[in-house]
Amino acid sequence: EIVLTQSPATLSLSPGEGATLSCRASQSIITYVAWYQQKPGQAPRLLIYNGSLRATGIPSRFSGSGSGTDFTLTISSLEPEDFAVYYCQQRSRWPPLFGGGTKVEIK
Amino acid sequence: QAQLVESGGGVVQPGGSLRLSCAASGFTFSSVGMHWVRQAPGKGLEWAAFIGYDGRNQYYIDSVKGRFTISRDNSRNTVYLQMNSLRPEDTAVYYCAKDSKTYYIDYWGQGTLVTVSS
Repeated sequence: EIVLTQSPATLSLSPGEGATLSCRASQSIITYVAWYQQKPGQAPRLLIYNGSLRATGIPSRFSGSGSGTDFTLTISSLEPEDFAVYYCQQRSRWPPLFGGGTKVEIK
Repeated sequence: QAQLVESGGGVVQPGGSLRLSCAASGFTFSSVGMHWVRQAPGKGLEWAAFIGYDGRNQYYIDSVKGRFTISRDNSRNTVYLQMNSLRPEDTAVYYCAKDSKTYYIDYWGQGTLVTVSS
């Protein structure tokens, strides 16, 4: 199975700052990665798929990049509603496992 | 707009069984695969099972193989997760989720809590 390692575990930032979240795969997954956002008490929401494509209704401040084993989710300028936990997921091979998550918290 | 509503969660003793249901609406259910994803209290997301649009293909995470069975009834727009031989480590919120047709998840239910405890 392909293991996804997310870093850092926690990111402490202020509104208006930029955020860079990392997801590293144990083997190449080409660009078959998605990013999800989860707020407390809510279901996750799809943000990015196929590495860099924004899902419907996702603001342009969210962007994804990377290929092979290293992927990045960038939030250009944090809005108050962006403080949440972010997960990456690969769909290159079964099972489509998630990474452990990165919590973006208010500094 | 797709809508997914889970039911069937609750408290069960170790070794017991539960069947979760997920009623879908707002999309052509019979043309898409469906997932179950779980989340233990305070932990991250764990993908658990998938069933193809016609029910012929199922995939499971190793830790539930042989104990959980995913199925669907396209006439009722419902997907199920039969959980047998439950263990304390199966305690989690179980989310029903719609496949995007590319094995990503584009819609999620609100989840149903399963607690395995004596």
